[in-house]
Amino acid sequence: EAGVVQSPRYKIIEKKQPVAFWCNPISGHNTLYWYRQNLGQGPELLIRYENEEAVDDSQLPKDRFSAERLKGVDSTLKIQPAELGDSAVYLCASSLDGGRKNEQFFGPGTRLTVL
Amino acid sequence: EDKVVQSPLSLVVHEGDTVTLNCSYEVTNFRSLLWYKQEKKAPTFLFMLTSSGIEKKSGRLSSILDKKELFSILNITATQTGDSAVYLCAVVNTGKLIFGQGTTLQVKP
Repeated sequence: EAGVVQSPRYKIIEKKQPVAFWCNPISGHNTLYWYRQNLGQGPELLIRYENEEAVDDSQLPKDRFSAERLKGVDSTLKIQPAELGDSAVYLCASSLDGGRKNEQFFGPGTRLTVL
Repeated sequence: EDKVVQSPLSLVVHEGDTVTLNCSYEVTNFRSLLWYKQEKKAPTFLFMLTSSGIEKKSGRLSSILDKKELFSILNITATQTGDSAVYLCAVVNTGKLIFGQGTTLQVKP
């Protein structure tokens, strides 16, 4: 079974540029999560989707971050414009049934460097 | 504010040593506690704990939860260099994972 797929794996951009990350969850998983992980820290939730509905986006900085999951499968996370402090690893995870078993499967992440 | 605190933040041991990693939490609407291992990439699932006092075991790794004292420990016996990683503790709060900052374990040959 294929795991959570993310692309790109690495991205280097200059500040004020836009950037987008893509995630394809495990087939059949209706819940999708985007996390940001700063160096030396645990992941922090940015947004959680149940199918195509964003059910928790309280930690998403809405002035520059946006996300979508139009058909309830793939998702994109966008930052526009990027700032130096956005340098981090962006992890996507998915789970079955809202994570009732509470097991989330993580993708390999996108390491973003903002110069 | 919900929080999960892990200790120590980093640990260096030699192969064959036994290590104990700690995770304490203050979370409303606690559902369960999870342990993940993170090497150079994605966190991989180790254990899920929901009940106090029941030890979960997988090979040389074991974990237990104390819901009264609000903590969990992860034990690794007979450590190997392949155990070198960041170990993350996370608590589930109504579908959301709240992570600790992780413990970086380095096992030297």
